[in-house]
Amino acid sequence: NAGVMQNPRHLVRRRGQEARLRCSPMKGHSHVYWYRQLPEEGLKFMVYLQKENIIDESGMPKERFSAEFPKEGPSILRIQQVVRGDSAAYFCASSPRDTNEKLFFGSGTQLSVL
Amino acid sequence: GNSVTQMEGPVTLSEEAFLTINCTYTATGYPSLFWYVQYPGEGLQLLLKATKADDKGSNKGFEATYRKETTSFHLEKGSVQVSDSAVYFCALSASYGKLTFGQGTILTVHP
Repeated sequence: NAGVMQNPRHLVRRRGQEARLRCSPMKGHSHVYWYRQLPEEGLKFMVYLQKENIIDESGMPKERFSAEFPKEGPSILRIQQVVRGDSAAYFCASSPRDTNEKLFFGSGTQLSVL
Repeated sequence: GNSVTQMEGPVTLSEEAFLTINCTYTATGYPSLFWYVQYPGEGLQLLLKATKADDKGSNKGFEATYRKETTSFHLEKGSVQVSDSAVYFCALSASYGKLTFGQGTILTVHP
Protein backbone atom coordinates (compact mmCIF):
# COMPACT_ATOMS: atom_id res chain seq x y z
CA ASN A 1 0.00 0.00 0.00
CA ALA A 2 1.85 3.04 -1.27
CA GLY A 3 2.01 6.05 0.97
CA VAL A 4 1.31 9.64 0.02
CA MET A 5 3.26 10.36 -3.16
CA GLN A 6 4.48 13.80 -4.03
CA ASN A 7 6.29 14.84 -7.16
CA PRO A 8 8.58 16.19 -8.10
CA ARG A 9 10.87 15.94 -5.06
CA HIS A 10 12.80 18.96 -6.20
CA LEU A 11 11.56 21.72 -8.48
CA VAL A 12 13.60 24.64 -9.70
CA ARG A 13 11.89 27.62 -11.29
CA ARG A 14 12.96 31.08 -12.35
CA ARG A 15 11.09 34.11 -11.12
CA GLY A 16 7.87 34.62 -13.06
CA GLN A 17 7.44 30.97 -14.05
CA GLU A 18 4.69 28.65 -12.88
CA ALA A 19 5.16 25.81 -10.42
CA ARG A 20 2.89 22.76 -10.29
CA LEU A 21 3.20 20.41 -7.35
CA ARG A 22 1.40 17.08 -7.36
CA CYS A 23 0.13 14.94 -4.54
CA SER A 24 -1.40 11.48 -4.81
CA PRO A 25 -3.05 10.58 -1.50
CA MET A 26 -2.99 7.13 -0.02
CA LYS A 27 -5.39 4.66 -1.55
CA GLY A 28 -8.88 5.20 -0.18
CA HIS A 29 -8.13 8.67 1.16
CA SER A 30 -10.39 11.44 -0.08
CA HIS A 31 -9.11 14.28 2.13
CA VAL A 32 -5.95 16.20 1.25
CA TYR A 33 -4.07 18.95 3.08
CA TRP A 34 -1.22 21.13 1.86
CA TYR A 35 1.38 22.62 4.19
CA ARG A 36 4.33 24.89 3.52
CA GLN A 37 7.60 24.96 5.44
CA LEU A 38 9.68 28.06 5.02
CA PRO A 39 13.36 27.92 6.01
CA GLU A 40 13.88 27.81 9.77
CA GLU A 41 10.13 27.67 10.40
CA GLY A 42 7.53 25.05 11.21
CA LEU A 43 4.94 23.81 8.78
CA LYS A 44 2.07 26.19 8.05
CA PHE A 45 -1.37 25.03 6.94
CA MET A 46 -2.36 26.20 3.49
CA VAL A 47 -5.48 24.42 2.28
CA TYR A 48 -7.78 21.48 2.94
CA LEU A 49 -9.55 19.78 0.06
CA GLN A 50 -11.92 16.93 -0.48
CA LYS A 51 -12.64 15.47 -3.88
CA GLU A 52 -13.72 18.37 -6.12
CA ASN A 53 -14.19 20.71 -3.16
CA ILE A 54 -12.07 23.24 -1.30
CA ILE A 55 -13.07 23.03 2.35
CA ASP A 56 -10.69 25.46 4.00
CA GLU A 57 -8.23 27.72 2.19
CA SER A 58 -7.58 30.10 5.06
CA GLY A 59 -3.82 29.57 4.84
CA MET A 60 -3.47 30.20 1.12
CA PRO A 61 -1.95 33.48 -0.06
CA LYS A 62 -4.67 35.52 -1.77
CA GLU A 63 -2.85 35.83 -5.05
CA ARG A 64 -0.93 33.47 -7.34
CA PHE A 65 -1.70 30.30 -5.35
CA SER A 66 -4.45 27.83 -6.16
CA ALA A 67 -5.21 24.21 -5.36
CA GLU A 68 -7.47 21.54 -6.73
CA PHE A 69 -8.33 17.92 -6.06
CA PRO A 70 -10.25 16.59 -9.05
CA LYS A 71 -12.48 13.56 -9.10
CA GLU A 72 -9.76 11.66 -10.91
CA GLY A 73 -6.05 12.19 -10.52
CA PRO A 74 -3.78 13.84 -8.00
CA SER A 75 -4.23 17.03 -6.06
CA ILE A 76 -2.38 19.95 -7.61
CA LEU A 77 -0.93 22.99 -5.88
CA ARG A 78 -0.27 25.67 -8.47
CA ILE A 79 1.86 28.74 -7.95
CA GLN A 80 1.80 31.31 -10.72
CA GLN A 81 4.55 33.87 -11.34
CA VAL A 82 6.78 32.49 -8.62
CA VAL A 83 8.95 34.81 -6.54
CA ARG A 84 12.00 34.01 -4.42
CA GLY A 85 9.87 34.11 -1.27
CA ASP A 86 7.96 31.07 -2.55
CA SER A 87 11.07 28.93 -2.07
CA ALA A 88 10.08 26.38 0.55
CA ALA A 89 9.25 22.75 1.17
CA TYR A 90 5.64 21.94 0.34
CA PHE A 91 4.11 18.94 2.08
CA CYS A 92 0.92 17.13 1.29
CA ALA A 93 -0.99 14.99 3.76
CA SER A 94 -4.05 12.79 3.40
CA SER A 95 -6.63 11.15 5.60
CA PRO A 96 -9.50 8.78 4.91
CA ARG A 97 -12.10 11.04 6.48
CA ASP A 98 -12.72 14.31 8.24
CA THR A 99 -10.57 13.69 11.28
CA ASN A 100 -7.54 15.02 13.09
CA GLU A 101 -6.65 11.61 14.45
CA LYS A 102 -3.88 10.85 12.02
CA LEU A 103 -2.57 12.40 8.89
CA PHE A 104 -0.24 10.63 6.48
CA PHE A 105 2.39 12.93 5.04
CA GLY A 106 4.31 12.78 1.80
CA SER A 107 8.04 13.42 1.55
CA GLY A 108 7.49 16.90 0.25
CA THR A 109 8.48 18.96 -2.78
CA GLN A 110 11.38 21.35 -2.35
CA LEU A 111 10.72 24.40 -4.53
CA SER A 112 13.66 26.63 -5.31
CA VAL A 113 13.08 29.90 -7.12
CA LEU A 114 16.13 31.40 -8.80
CA GLY B 1 -5.29 32.25 17.32
CA ASN B 2 -3.66 28.91 17.99
CA SER B 3 0.11 28.66 18.41
CA VAL B 4 2.76 26.13 19.44
CA THR B 5 6.16 26.92 20.90
CA GLN B 6 8.93 24.33 21.05
CA MET B 7 12.27 24.54 22.77
CA GLU B 8 14.87 25.71 20.37
CA GLY B 9 17.42 23.26 19.10
CA PRO B 10 19.45 21.71 17.94
CA VAL B 11 19.69 19.15 20.71
CA THR B 12 22.75 16.90 20.80
CA LEU B 13 22.88 13.89 23.12
CA SER B 14 24.92 10.78 23.67
CA GLU B 15 23.30 7.41 23.22
CA GLU B 16 21.27 6.27 26.28
CA ALA B 17 20.87 9.84 27.56
CA PHE B 18 17.51 11.17 28.75
CA LEU B 19 15.60 13.36 26.32
CA THR B 20 13.17 16.18 26.97
CA ILE B 21 11.82 18.48 24.28
CA ASN B 22 9.55 21.15 25.68
CA CYS B 23 6.34 22.16 23.97
CA THR B 24 3.74 24.69 25.10
CA TYR B 25 0.65 25.79 23.28
CA THR B 26 -2.00 28.46 23.11
CA ALA B 27 -5.45 27.51 21.90
CA THR B 28 -9.10 28.14 22.40
CA GLY B 29 -11.16 25.17 23.43
CA TYR B 30 -9.72 21.71 23.85
CA PRO B 31 -7.37 20.82 21.03
CA SER B 32 -5.77 17.47 20.33
CA LEU B 33 -1.98 17.44 20.72
CA PHE B 34 0.57 15.59 18.62
CA TRP B 35 4.25 14.89 18.21
CA TYR B 36 5.42 14.22 14.67
CA VAL B 37 8.90 13.03 13.67
CA GLN B 38 10.68 13.63 10.38
CA TYR B 39 13.63 11.43 9.45
CA PRO B 40 16.07 12.69 6.81
CA GLY B 41 14.56 12.66 3.34
CA GLU B 42 11.16 11.49 4.53
CA GLY B 43 7.76 12.95 5.30
CA LEU B 44 6.41 13.55 8.77
CA GLN B 45 5.22 10.56 10.73
CA LEU B 46 2.89 10.64 13.70
CA LEU B 47 4.86 9.66 16.80
CA LEU B 48 2.18 9.99 19.47
CA LYS B 49 -0.95 11.92 20.35
CA ALA B 50 -3.27 12.87 23.17
CA THR B 51 -6.82 14.06 22.76
CA LYS B 52 -7.79 15.32 26.21
CA ALA B 53 -6.31 16.65 29.43
CA ASP B 54 -4.14 14.22 31.44
CA ASP B 55 -3.96 11.76 28.55
CA LYS B 56 -0.51 10.28 28.02
CA GLY B 57 0.56 9.43 24.51
CA SER B 58 3.34 6.90 24.09
CA ASN B 59 5.14 5.12 21.27
CA LYS B 60 8.61 3.61 20.71
CA GLY B 61 9.70 4.60 24.23
CA PHE B 62 8.62 8.22 23.78
CA GLU B 63 5.99 9.74 26.07
CA ALA B 64 4.13 13.03 26.40
CA THR B 65 1.35 14.04 28.79
CA TYR B 66 -1.38 16.57 27.94
CA ARG B 67 -1.15 19.14 30.74
CA LYS B 68 -4.01 21.59 30.49
CA GLU B 69 -3.02 23.56 33.61
CA THR B 70 0.40 24.38 32.16
CA THR B 71 -0.68 24.18 28.49
CA SER B 72 2.22 21.84 27.81
CA PHE B 73 2.95 18.59 25.98
CA HIS B 74 6.63 17.87 26.62
CA LEU B 75 8.22 14.94 24.82
CA GLU B 76 10.40 12.56 26.86
CA LYS B 77 12.40 9.41 26.32
CA GLY B 78 14.44 7.68 28.97
CA SER B 79 17.23 6.37 26.76
CA VAL B 80 17.76 7.68 23.26
CA GLN B 81 19.35 5.77 20.40
CA VAL B 82 21.29 6.92 17.37
CA SER B 83 18.28 5.95 15.27
CA ASP B 84 16.20 8.59 17.09
CA SER B 85 18.12 11.35 15.32
CA ALA B 86 15.49 13.34 13.45
CA VAL B 87 13.45 16.52 13.56
CA TYR B 88 10.59 16.52 16.07
CA PHE B 89 7.49 18.68 15.67
CA CYS B 90 4.88 19.43 18.30
CA ALA B 91 1.46 20.25 16.88
CA LEU B 92 -2.13 20.87 17.86
CA SER B 93 -5.42 20.52 16.07
CA ALA B 94 -8.75 22.02 17.00
CA SER B 95 -10.57 20.47 14.08
CA TYR B 96 -10.05 17.99 11.23
CA GLY B 97 -6.50 17.90 9.87
CA LYS B 98 -5.71 21.55 10.21
CA LEU B 99 -2.59 21.32 12.33
CA THR B 100 -0.67 24.16 13.94
CA PHE B 101 2.99 23.18 14.21
CA GLY B 102 5.88 24.32 16.33
CA GLN B 103 9.09 25.24 14.56
CA GLY B 104 10.66 21.84 15.02
CA THR B 105 13.61 20.61 17.09
CA ILE B 106 16.57 18.88 15.51
CA LEU B 107 17.82 15.98 17.61
CA THR B 108 21.21 14.41 17.00
CA VAL B 109 22.25 11.37 19.00
CA HIS B 110 25.93 10.33 18.99
CA PRO B 111 27.15 6.79 19.72
